[in-house]
Amino acid sequence: AQSVTQLGSHVSVSEGALVLLRCNYSSSVPPYLFWYVQYPNQGLQLLLKYTSAATLVKGINGFEAEFKKSETSFHLTKPSAHMSDAAEYFCAVSSGYSTLTFGKGTMLLVSP
Amino acid sequence: DAGVIQSPRHEVTEMGQEVTLRCKPISGHNSLFWYRQTMMRGLELLIYFNNNVPIDDSGMPEDRFSAKMPNASFSTLKIQPSEPRDSAVYFCASSLQGRPGTGELFFGEGSRLTVL
Repeated sequence: AQSVTQLGSHVSVSEGALVLLRCNYSSSVPPYLFWYVQYPNQGLQLLLKYTSAATLVKGINGFEAEFKKSETSFHLTKPSAHMSDAAEYFCAVSSGYSTLTFGKGTMLLVSP
Repeated sequence: DAGVIQSPRHEVTEMGQEVTLRCKPISGHNSLFWYRQTMMRGLELLIYFNNNVPIDDSGMPEDRFSAKMPNASFSTLKIQPSEPRDSAVYFCASSLQGRPGTGELFFGEGSRLTVL
């Protein structure tokens, strides 16, 4: 069985501040891990993907995530938030033998 | 290149009516997914097709829901009869993947369904 927990349904940051969105996963086998972003009235789009290569994964728009097996975490970070980063972010996990399991999502709010 | 195309973008209907949502996946993709998104339940997988064959429909809520993929370029999700609790945004996504859950999902813009 696989599952994802995203801590915090809403995260608020100021423009220019560090963004940290938390994701913990559960998987009985080495996982595939994903972060997707959803802008208002749009579908989800891939930010980045971990597939057992480098533990630090760089994605689009300056985001990156680090796979930590010992902590079963895959937190998403960005050094400096921009207003355009305001969106909902979803962490997802797969065993590679089943479809993705998505977390509940974290809404990122960016204030000027 | 065209992405995943869904229609209609918005649908308002009355309880008991039949609703058909349509999806055109990205050409060359071998997997197609239907998701439902609500505030209460988040993003739920309804059904997954691989090479036009339904592989996992365990997420389909009940017999009122049915999905078909008659060919590689078209899929439908039908609700008959519709109920107010079916109000949600329905997303279609496609992917090119070997093993399930390994490929990037490309989502359409969604069909927002309101059942009165």
